[in-house]
Amino acid sequence: QVHLVESGGGVVQPGRSLRLSCAASGFSFGYYGMHWVRQAPGKGLEWVAVIWSDGSTKYYADSVQGRFTISRDNSRDTLYLQMNNLRAEDTALYFCARDTLAMSGRDIDYWGRGTLITVSS
Amino acid sequence: QSVLTQAPSASGTPGQRVTISCSGSTSNIGSSSVNWYQQLPGTAPKLLIYSNNQRPSGVPDRFSGSKSGTSASLAISGLQSEDEADYYCAAWDDSLNGHLFGTGTKVTVL
Repeated sequence: QVHLVESGGGVVQPGRSLRLSCAASGFSFGYYGMHWVRQAPGKGLEWVAVIWSDGSTKYYADSVQGRFTISRDNSRDTLYLQMNNLRAEDTALYFCARDTLAMSGRDIDYWGRGTLITVSS
Repeated sequence: QSVLTQAPSASGTPGQRVTISCSGSTSNIGSSSVNWYQQLPGTAPKLLIYSNNQRPSGVPDRFSGSKSGTSASLAISGLQSEDEADYYCAAWDDSLNGHLFGTGTKVTVL
């Protein structure tokens, strides 16, 4: 079955960088678009970014545009999120999620369990 | 409108029917299909309804979805204690080129 496992979370100071990874298994990773979604403590879901199956197209939420970069390595079945210039408001549980199609971004079906990022001095 | 609006809470007694609404605009719900997710406490979201009204395999038929214009609804009939969770609608927004989630509705079983 579809399995998504995020890693790379932790405590980081404001202004610093962090890279998240998401290891995928149980499906043909290279045929699906992938998303990052976050959830601040006690808050709702906030979409962060999407990347198409071949990495050719990426879209970002305005709140992270210019600071975060989504990427993928289809040979390693792994999704990444490079987060630079982190702010306190980036503190959240970050979920990796699969899209239903290769080049859409419109529909998320499976989710990982998330990795927690805390931005604090 | 860059947000999908949901009522913050809804409740019902076991066996009752509960309906959750999701209000958007022409650039999101009005032009895209709507999905619904259930998030039980301390867990990742789970796809509950896709393409406005379709249930993935394994989702009980107590859950149903509908869409009209720029709004969508999720109905839970025969409410059960295990339905106590947060529910989110979601749709792609063509103006933002981004995915939008609803503000979330916490369902309580009285």
